[in-house]
Amino acid sequence: DVKVTQSSRYLVKRTGEKVFLECVQDMDHENMFWYRQDPGLGLRLIYFSYDVKMKEKGDIPEGYSVSREKKERFSLILESASTNQTSMYLCASSPRLKGRGVLAKNIQYFGAGTRLSVL
Amino acid sequence: AQSVTQLGSHVSVSEGALVLLRCNYSSSVPPYLFWYVQYPNQGLQLLLKYTSAATLVKGINGFEAEFKKSETSFHLTKPSAHMSDAAEYFCAVSDIFGTGTRLTVIP
Repeated sequence: DVKVTQSSRYLVKRTGEKVFLECVQDMDHENMFWYRQDPGLGLRLIYFSYDVKMKEKGDIPEGYSVSREKKERFSLILESASTNQTSMYLCASSPRLKGRGVLAKNIQYFGAGTRLSVL
Repeated sequence: AQSVTQLGSHVSVSEGALVLLRCNYSSSVPPYLFWYVQYPNQGLQLLLKYTSAATLVKGINGFEAEFKKSETSFHLTKPSAHMSDAAEYFCAVSDIFGTGTRLTVIP
């Protein structure tokens, strides 16, 4: 079974703090993703990585950065947390689709999510 | 560019009734389409995927979806709802997700 593990289920932080959300997958997947999930808005892609040290901006990258130093780990960083970043954050991984190019999207396997509250 | 629209943010059905959750997509290339389910306090898990091999796709838990290119639709159905089907369902085109449909099953 693929396992995607997010380091925290719940986090409470103060405005202006630097926040790290960690995600680890155990299936040697090339692709990893960070989404935020908000009621009525569904999932919105923040960043995507298709290889170690590679990253692509998603639809809402502002206020976030990412790090992928090892294949199994993808970190989301909020440099200076703000109240509008209160949300559920979901990490996902997927294997590369053979013969479809590095940016092709395959089935994604999700972690359980981190509910972040910024006060 | 790709996009996905789910019609109806909330759907209620009686136990044993047909489940129909609607999804329309827009894609300039042959789409990879997915349905995911999210149970309370959990991440998303794959129900089924369309990758052009067959237009009727069967998934887990008795769900299926039919790809209709002429209608740009990929609606999710299940003949008979079960209480355990209560969850939120997301349609996706590659990594672009719809806004979700919350399914309530009434006993």
